[in-house]
Amino acid sequence: DTAVSQTPKYLVTQMGNDKSIKCEQNLGHDTMYWYKQDSKKFLKIMFSYNNKELIINETVPNRFSPKSPDKAHLNLHINSLELGDSAVYFCASSAGSGTNGYTFGSGTRLTVV
Amino acid sequence: DAKTTQPTSMDCAEGRAANLPCNHSTISGNEYVYWYRQIHSQGPQYIIHGLKNNETNEMASLIITEDRKSSTLILPHATLRDTAVYYCIVSPSGAGSYQLTFGKGTKLSVIP
Repeated sequence: DTAVSQTPKYLVTQMGNDKSIKCEQNLGHDTMYWYKQDSKKFLKIMFSYNNKELIINETVPNRFSPKSPDKAHLNLHINSLELGDSAVYFCASSAGSGTNGYTFGSGTRLTVV
Repeated sequence: DAKTTQPTSMDCAEGRAANLPCNHSTISGNEYVYWYRQIHSQGPQYIIHGLKNNETNEMASLIITEDRKSSTLILPHATLRDTAVYYCIVSPSGAGSYQLTFGKGTKLSVIP
C-alpha cells in the first residue's frame, strides 16, 4: 500500500547514458514534485506539476525532462548523464499546493560512473 | 536562502521530551510553519504544521510564539526511532507556493 512509489530504488549507469525514474502515487493528489538530495544532504526542488501542468522548474538543466502522463504519475527522464547528476532523487505528492503536507517516496539513488 | 534558523544538532535521552527550536523572524502573515523529518536513507516525512495556534497530533506538538517569530517542535517521549534530521520550513499557503524549501535542519540523536 505504498503511497508514493519510485522505481528503481538504485540506478548505476555510465556517463552519457539516458535513464528514467518513475514515480506513482495512489493518494489521489493533484500535485507532484521531484527533489534532488546531493552528497551534502541538501534537498532541492527540481520540478512541481499540478494537474499535469508544470508549475515550478528550478533552473534544472535541459537534460532533465519531467513527464506527467496523468495526475498519478510523474516520471523523470535524464539525458546524457554526468557525474554531477549522482544524487538521491525523491518524488513527492500533495493535495493542491501542499498546505496539509507532502508525502515523499523512498528515493532513487542514482550513481553515475 | 532558508528563512529559518535551527541548531545543527541536538541530543535527547530516550524516553524524555525532545524540544527542537526554530527561529523564523521574517515570517509573513500568510506563511505556515511546517516540520518534516528525514530518517537516514528514507524520504522526508511530514510531522505537523501550524499558522499561529499551537497544534498537536499523534506524532508531536508544535508551539508557536505569539509574535510567530519562533516555534518549538516537541516529541513528548523520544524513542531511538526518532533519530533523524528535523526540518523547520516556512511556506505560504494557497496558489503560488507549490514548493517547500528545505534548509539544513537539526540532526536529533536519541541516546539510550
